[in-house]
Amino acid sequence: GQQVMQIPQYQHVQEGEDFTTYCNSSTTLSNIQWYKQRPGGHPVFLIQLVKSGEVKKQKRLTFQFGEAKKNSSLHITATQTTDVGTYFCAGPHTGGFKTIFGAGTRLFVKA
Amino acid sequence: GAGVSQSPSNKVTEKGKDVELRCDPISGHTALYWYRQSLGQGLEFLIYFQGNSAPDKSGLPSDRFSAERTGGSVSTLTIQRTQQEDSAVYLCASSLGLAAEYNEQFFGPGTRLTVL
Repeated sequence: GQQVMQIPQYQHVQEGEDFTTYCNSSTTLSNIQWYKQRPGGHPVFLIQLVKSGEVKKQKRLTFQFGEAKKNSSLHITATQTTDVGTYFCAGPHTGGFKTIFGAGTRLFVKA
Repeated sequence: GAGVSQSPSNKVTEKGKDVELRCDPISGHTALYWYRQSLGQGLEFLIYFQGNSAPDKSGLPSDRFSAERTGGSVSTLTIQRTQQEDSAVYLCASSLGLAAEYNEQFFGPGTRLTVL
């Protein structure tokens, strides 16, 4: 079945270092979403990408959607302790609104 | 309310008992999702409601799980004859659901279910 895979599963960084998580879909996606879940919290929507090759920035966060619309990445520049949490990518199931989430990348930031 | 609400926030039950989990979506949101999240894991899709259309139940793990959405608003997820492996956080989300570009999902705080 359709799958959304995310790597790495975990990432430990020193505060100030950069961080990147990658998302790969087994099928072409009409759009891709990114969510952040703080420890003990619930997922919070960050952004949605729709266009092939699209790049969007939110302060220190840069999101990219691949040309083939099958992969995406989230890059955080100069991480801060407030970036700690799990980052999920999610895409729509082919033919419907059902959403398939990646397994997430958990980010640990050491001060 | 301003956001998605869920109740109860915590539920401890004994194996074999039935439980009901409630979700109040954001007013005006036509789409409603239920997910299950085990400790440290990702989100497992359970069921999706969109307006008056038949729900997508493809993620329900067994026939012990069912959900309904009354009047296009409040939803209830029912788990019958609970098992220990049902222990998890059950998350509800809603979205405008009008088109793909309005699929931003707003999550509730979740219900933490513990089956003893």
